[in-house]
Amino acid sequence: SYKLTQPPSVSVSPGQTASITCAGDDLGDKFAAWYQQKPGQSPVVVIYQDYKRPSGIPERFSGSNSGNTATLTISGTQAMDEADYYCQAWDTNTVVFGGGTKLTV
Amino acid sequence: QLQLQESGPGLVKPSETLSLTCSVSGGSISDSSYYWGWIRQPPGKGLEWIGHIYYSGSAYYNPSLKSRVTISTDTSKNQFSLELTSVTAADTAVYYCARPMANVYDTWGHGTMISVAS
Repeated sequence: SYKLTQPPSVSVSPGQTASITCAGDDLGDKFAAWYQQKPGQSPVVVIYQDYKRPSGIPERFSGSNSGNTATLTISGTQAMDEADYYCQAWDTNTVVFGGGTKLTV
Repeated sequence: QLQLQESGPGLVKPSETLSLTCSVSGGSISDSSYYWGWIRQPPGKGLEWIGHIYYSGSAYYNPSLKSRVTISTDTSKNQFSLELTSVTAADTAVYYCARPMANVYDTWGHGTMISVAS
């Protein structure tokens, strides 16, 4: 079955740029999405269809997807961005989540 | 505004069947635009997709759970449900119902914790 691989953790200093990767076979041929989850809360989508931001998501969140890798980029990272981040893709009629990345600010 | 609310037993004994319901408000489960899905998260671990059902009744499941899972809809109550048979401690998790749109789950319930223990 299809698999998405993320680094377990990423650290970034406040104000710097954080990049979280998500790897999967020919992931660039699928739509990738990214979720932010804070402790005790339901996940919230921050990027969908590779690079689109839902209303209410700050512009500092951006996404890209090409080849075998999708990337979530957070520019000017703030303390409030500290959370777990999950990538997600659809493979035919099924859904796959990455293992998650803990972002420490 | 669409809202989803999970309900379930909280505690299930090993080998028994877990049954959960998701109540939908602010939208119709019969809407032809949408799937309705279930996702779970074991304590301290990542998200695992369980499956989803289309308004027409077509359901798709995680291959690793397919033999034990059934998702169904009840249009008269505007609800959809999850049944997971032969549960073990590994099925202990927060279970979320969620609605995908444009290849992403844009609306989630608050989640319900299910523990499997005797």
